[in-house]
Amino acid sequence: AQSVTQLGSHVSVSEGALVLLRCNYSSSVPPYLFWYVQYPNQGLQLLLKYTTGATLVKGINGFEAEFKKSETSFHLTKPSAHMSDAAEYFCAVTRMDSSYKLIFGSGTRLLVRP
Amino acid sequence: DAGVIQSPRHEVTEMGQEVTLRCKPISGHNSLFWYRQTMMRGLELLIYFNNNVPIDDSGMPEDRFSAKMPNASFSTLKIQPSEPRDSAVYFCASSLGSRANTGELFFGEGSRLTVL
Repeated sequence: AQSVTQLGSHVSVSEGALVLLRCNYSSSVPPYLFWYVQYPNQGLQLLLKYTTGATLVKGINGFEAEFKKSETSFHLTKPSAHMSDAAEYFCAVTRMDSSYKLIFGSGTRLLVRP
Repeated sequence: DAGVIQSPRHEVTEMGQEVTLRCKPISGHNSLFWYRQTMMRGLELLIYFNNNVPIDDSGMPEDRFSAKMPNASFSTLKIQPSEPRDSAVYFCASSLGSRANTGELFFGEGSRLTVL
């Protein structure tokens, strides 16, 4: 079975500071990995995804994530936080042979302090 | 372009009443998903349709829940009778293709259900 663990339900950073949101996955087959963002009272929006190829993936709004197979991780980073980045972030995993089924992590709420 | 449209945005009802949530996917998308979001359980996939056919309904909690997709542009999620534990935000999402890895899911803004 596949699963995703997001470390830290809340992360607080100062504006301009590095953002690091952690995601570890469990999968018996090569995974496809995603980060979604949810702004208040809105649906989820795709930030970036890893399927195959380059392990460093760039997404929207300056976010990027690196697939590290040896560490079973897919952490999300952004060099400099903006106030507008305050939202909830979800890591998700799926697999090639049941690829419609996204398994979401429990989410990490990012707070950005002025 | 219109995104995924859900209605109602908010619904407050009393226990035992029937609730119907509606979804209009993005035109041309052939996959539709219903998710439920709660603090306790996070995001759960309830049911997945591909080309209007239910493919996986293993996430539907119990017989009180039913979902239909009579055509490519409309889906409903019905709860009858509703119970307080059904209180949640229900999201509809659509995508092009049957494989999440080849595309992205486009989510609606959700229907917040409160059952008193």
